[in-house]
Amino acid sequence: DGGITQSPKYLFRKEGQNVTLSCEQNLNHDAMYWYRQDPGQGLRLIYYSQIVNDFQKGDIAEGYSVSREKKESFPLTVTSAQKNPTAFYLCASSIGPTMNTEAFFGQGTRLTVV
Amino acid sequence: GENVEQHPSTLSVQEGDSAVIKCTYSDSASNYFPWYKQELGKRPQLIIDIRSNVGEKKDQRIAVTLNKTAKHFSLHITETQPEDSAVYFCAASTPYNNNDMRFGAGTRLTVKP
Repeated sequence: DGGITQSPKYLFRKEGQNVTLSCEQNLNHDAMYWYRQDPGQGLRLIYYSQIVNDFQKGDIAEGYSVSREKKESFPLTVTSAQKNPTAFYLCASSIGPTMNTEAFFGQGTRLTVV
Repeated sequence: GENVEQHPSTLSVQEGDSAVIKCTYSDSASNYFPWYKQELGKRPQLIIDIRSNVGEKKDQRIAVTLNKTAKHFSLHITETQPEDSAVYFCAASTPYNNNDMRFGAGTRLTVKP
């Protein structure tokens, strides 16, 4: 069953801790993206990757880090430097890297800082 | 980079009426404009898209129009139904700069039965 999977669905973090959100896809897509969704602010781009071992900062990369060691995986680490990490995080993938095509989204991870 | 603005932020219509959501973009090189629908608690899913070589595209009750000169595009939903209630996002993507896709802030559409 092809698709893009995020885990966990809900995540709680204490202040000062780093936490890693998982994103895996078996669609053989080159491009992968991380977005943050806050009420009334739509989807804001955190990081994106067009190819393995390469990634670029989006609009709100501060306090986040990513890696792209494998084509199918694009984990996002929310570090303690992120001042307001409570949000809904969406991972997406598309065929890429030179084609503009549909982005397929994961189910999302809701991160809450307690 | 690309900047996408979307209006209105909320829209309420009566069942059977039409709904129109408008987006503007800043980068004249953008050439791909998808629309996504996100139902409550679910992931965004593509409902229609348009490329810059086309002015209009229609799929049953949904249509998208693109005005490249004015750099705006719109989503039109006719004969709205309660199941059309959701948040709709527009997006724009350029063929260079690594194809980063930028989204509008979203429109919460409510269709009242």
